[in-house]
Amino acid sequence: SQQGEEDPQALSIQEGENATMNCSYKTSINNLQWYRQNSGRGLVHLILIRSNEREKHSGRLRVTLDTSKKSSSLLITASRAADTASYFCATANQAGTALIFGKGTTLSVSS
Amino acid sequence: EAQVTQNPRYLITVTGKKLTVTCSQNMNHEYMSWYRQDPGLGLRQIYYSMNVEVTDKGDVPEGYKVSRKEKRNFPLILESPSPNQTSLYFCASSSAGPRYYGYTFGSGTRLTVV
Repeated sequence: SQQGEEDPQALSIQEGENATMNCSYKTSINNLQWYRQNSGRGLVHLILIRSNEREKHSGRLRVTLDTSKKSSSLLITASRAADTASYFCATANQAGTALIFGKGTTLSVSS
Repeated sequence: EAQVTQNPRYLITVTGKKLTVTCSQNMNHEYMSWYRQDPGLGLRQIYYSMNVEVTDKGDVPEGYKVSRKEKRNFPLILESPSPNQTSLYFCASSSAGPRYYGYTFGSGTRLTVV
């Protein structure tokens, strides 16, 4: 019952560069959420963008949402080594009883 | 500090030996849920609870039990663990469910069943 699909699966960049990750989903949504997971640790909620929003910022994070294309992107500007993690998009299932996560994008930022 | 606390962090057990993974949240959240994360399969929901005494199955409930006797606690019980339950488990809570709000996750429990 996978809803979100991130692209690319893996991304390697240098410190200071920008990182862009994309997410596509299948059904209508109330909101779309992005999470970060450091290796083997719990996921951390980064940002939630509602279906009537097109863009949202939080610090170095910029999220866009295009409901007509059923897609979202997460941009991390001026990446740091500490941004190395897996990033997941998530949307609620139709019943609103679960978040369904994509397989994630693994970001590696080297100094 | 607002948090979801899971214990234990790591657990190695033998097939068939009952175990409980505890989960507690201090945010007065109504909704709680358990997920397991496996390579190649991603995060899958095991059980969820919309409120005290209200629990329901997620996508992969077989071999698991839960209870929600108090708002803050949502333990995951494996009555007869098997090797295919070796996984990384996460408890999550949300103020009123994931349709409108995000999750707060615990730090995870890495379970190995031998």
